[in-house]
Amino acid sequence: DAGITQSPRHKVTETGTPVTLRCHQTENHRYMYWYRQDPGHGLRLIHYSYGVKDTDKGEVSDGYSVSRSKTEDFLLTLESATSSQTSVYFCAISERTGNLNSPLHFGNGTRLTVT
Amino acid sequence: KQEVTQIPAALSVPEGENLVLNCSFTDSAIYNLQWFRQDPGKGLTSLLLIQSSQREQTSGRLNASLDKSSGRSTLYIAASQPGDSATYLCAVLEYGNKLVFGAGTILRVKS
Repeated sequence: DAGITQSPRHKVTETGTPVTLRCHQTENHRYMYWYRQDPGHGLRLIHYSYGVKDTDKGEVSDGYSVSRSKTEDFLLTLESATSSQTSVYFCAISERTGNLNSPLHFGNGTRLTVT
Repeated sequence: KQEVTQIPAALSVPEGENLVLNCSFTDSAIYNLQWFRQDPGKGLTSLLLIQSSQREQTSGRLNASLDKSSGRSTLYIAASQPGDSATYLCAVLEYGNKLVFGAGTILRVKS
């Protein structure tokens, strides 16, 4: 398995509170991604990063922010959690340096419940 | 906007059967297509990656084909086993470097 660790694995939080999810990789891969997975929607891209301090929005970025201060860490922050953000969040990494056809590797996910 | 559709949404087959999972996409401007497997409560595991210039890829009992012009891919699983039970997802890498996923096919192989 690719060296990807997501923390926490499970979290319950209240509406309106900020939440930060962490993705840590030991592969030194350039690209990192945050997806959310919901029934009927598949996986949808929230934000991604193509290098330290280089990030871009995905299709469902509203209400989320990200930061990447080190190659190995990619943080996802819910600025003020809402019930619609209850989901399973997956981090993924890809080498992709000079090779757009390198596969994506996923972490085991964080199950977030907003009450 | 790229849309990826997987048919069927769920499939139940007896052990030993050969089966085909389908994936279609609306925009042929892609770099590659990937097939993933997801077990309950787990992340996704990459099974096969087909580059846009390729027609198929094989790994063991799995064979994936790609027809970019028609926007279709199939994942063929030979001699299915109960351990193949999982959700299978396809995803295309667009020219904007974003991976777009289908909703998946839930496969159950009965012993």
